[in-house]
Amino acid sequence: GENVEQHPSTLSVQEGDSAVIKCTYSDSASNYFPWYKQELGKRPQLIIDIRSNVGEKKDQRIAVTLNKTAKHFSLHITETQPEDSAVYFCAAGGTSYGKLTFGQGTILTVHP
Amino acid sequence: NAGVTQTPKFQVLKTGQSMTLQCAQDMNHNSMYWYRQDPGMGLRLIYYSASEGTTDKGEVPNGYNVSRLNKREFSLRLESAAPSQTSVYFCAGGGNQPQHFGDGTRLSIL
Repeated sequence: GENVEQHPSTLSVQEGDSAVIKCTYSDSASNYFPWYKQELGKRPQLIIDIRSNVGEKKDQRIAVTLNKTAKHFSLHITETQPEDSAVYFCAAGGTSYGKLTFGQGTILTVHP
Repeated sequence: NAGVTQTPKFQVLKTGQSMTLQCAQDMNHNSMYWYRQDPGMGLRLIYYSASEGTTDKGEVPNGYNVSRLNKREFSLRLESAAPSQTSVYFCAGGGNQPQHFGDGTRLSIL
């Protein structure tokens, strides 16, 4: 089955800095890669996703890049703000919007 | 439009008790999923239902059963609760849209 590794497990940045979270996956058949943000005590919420036929996708301060050859994808957050502090999860799936395998999560802390 | 609704939000059980966690969605999702979330381990898939009338095991199915009652409802049952099943349980809908999660059920087994 699919295995997703996520790094780092914790990330601390100053407000205004950029943050990068990286994930690797094992199954070359995976073709859908969403990212979820989870605030303390809340549900995970989708922030951005990318399919395997696209190398990069951007939404305001958030971008995701995908390298299918190397089987890794990354989340980039620019101009971080304290409200970006949360746990971020990457995931990989074999069919669009189908079953997902999640990474272990990254606790992002943005210091004012 | 409530999205994905889970009940109860909190529950404390004694070892050996049984319980059913309920999940209902009004987003017309074809597929539904049950995950458990433990510290440092992300979200692990327990069972899923790709479509009405089908269910399949996920990564950690032991000790659980599920029922896809209709397109809207997908329940998770613990037949004989164990302390190792203390966790936060999330239901999600997806299949024709990105997965959308409920608010979760915090379950403690003493």
